[in-house]
Amino acid sequence: DGGITQSPKYLFRKEGQNVTLSCEQNLNHDAMYWYRQDPGQGLRLIYYSQIVNDFQKGDIAEGYSVSREKKESFPLTVTSAQKNPTAFYLCASSDLAGQGKTEAFFGQGTRLTVV
Amino acid sequence: GENVEQHPSTLSVQEGDSAVIKCTYSDSASNYFPWYKQELGKRPQLIIDIRSNVGEKKDQRIAVTLNKTAKHFSLHITETQPEDSAVYFCAAGNTGFQKLVFGTGTRLLVSP
Repeated sequence: DGGITQSPKYLFRKEGQNVTLSCEQNLNHDAMYWYRQDPGQGLRLIYYSQIVNDFQKGDIAEGYSVSREKKESFPLTVTSAQKNPTAFYLCASSDLAGQGKTEAFFGQGTRLTVV
Repeated sequence: GENVEQHPSTLSVQEGDSAVIKCTYSDSASNYFPWYKQELGKRPQLIIDIRSNVGEKKDQRIAVTLNKTAKHFSLHITETQPEDSAVYFCAAGNTGFQKLVFGTGTRLLVSP
């Protein structure tokens, strides 16, 4: 069963702690993305990666870090430097444009709450 | 960079009516415009998309129109049904580079 999986679904973090959100895909997609969703603000791009061992900052990268050591995995770390981390985080993946397919598939999301 | 504005933020219609959601974009280099539907508690899913070499695209009750000159595109849903109730997001991007910028979303409520 192909798809993109995020874990955990709900995550609680104490202030000052780093936390890592998992994103795994078995769609053989080259590109992966992390978005943050807040009420009334749509989806904002945090980081994206088009190829293994390479990634780029999105519009709101401050306080976040990522790695892309494997094609199928793109974990997101929310660091203590992120001032307002409570949000719904969505991971997505897609083929590269040159392959003629541009649809992005989303994971089911992780809701992070700072307590 | 690209900026996408989406209106209205909420839209209430009666079952059977039509619904229209509008988006504008700023970057003339954008050439790919998808629309996503997000039901409550679920992931966004692509419902239709359009490329800049096409002015209109239809898929059953859903259609999207694009005006490149004015830099705006719209989603049209005809004969709305209660199961159309969801948040709809537009996005703009460049197929030569996969970075999509999303609008702020429209919450559509279809009343029976």
